[in-house]
Amino acid sequence: KQEVTQIPAALSVPEGENLVLNCSFTDSAIYNLQWFRQDPGKGLTSLLLIQSSQREQTSGRLNASLDKSSGRSTLYIAASQPGDSATYLCAVDTQGGSEKLVFGKGTKLTVNP
Amino acid sequence: NAGVTQTPKFRVLKTGQSMTLLCAQDMNHEYMYWYRQDPGMGLRLIHYSVGEGTTAKGEVPDGYNVSRLKKQNFLLGLESAAPSQTSVYFCASTARQRGGPGELFFGEGSRLTVL
Repeated sequence: KQEVTQIPAALSVPEGENLVLNCSFTDSAIYNLQWFRQDPGKGLTSLLLIQSSQREQTSGRLNASLDKSSGRSTLYIAASQPGDSATYLCAVDTQGGSEKLVFGKGTKLTVNP
Repeated sequence: NAGVTQTPKFRVLKTGQSMTLLCAQDMNHEYMYWYRQDPGMGLRLIHYSVGEGTTAKGEVPDGYNVSRLKKQNFLLGLESAAPSQTSVYFCASTARQRGGPGELFFGEGSRLTVL
């Protein structure tokens, strides 16, 4: 059974700092890994999707990497801003080619002005 | 573009009452999902569908039923609501990509309270 873990559960940083969020999964036979952002009281917004054949994806100040063999992904946020404050979740499919995604419980990020 | 729309956004039920949550997407996606989100538990998959007329059980299907009569709509039903079903419910959809799920799009959520 695929399990996804995100550590730490919460992170507080000063504005301008570069930071890394971690995601680990137990079954490396994944199809893709996705990172999401969730603001309080809102739905999830997709940030980056990394296919199993890729090593990383970039969007603006965000860079996500994937190491299937070690069961790890990281989300790097450069020059953090107060507007980046949110909960960040990662999700992977349960096995290669499956239609189901398993989510981590998220990391709550607070960027202080 | 509307994307994924959930109705209603809020609902209060008494134990034993029934209700249906509606999810509609306008992106012609094959896959649709219903999740519940609870504090400390994360997002858990209730039911999902890989195409019109098909449904399948997820991680926590008991007490819920679903239907996908039209490709754009995915309904989640509670036949006899229980306090344990108090939660925030999210619908999501995605297109099939080479046999697997693509980028997931979520609705804004439906907050359900069962008294």
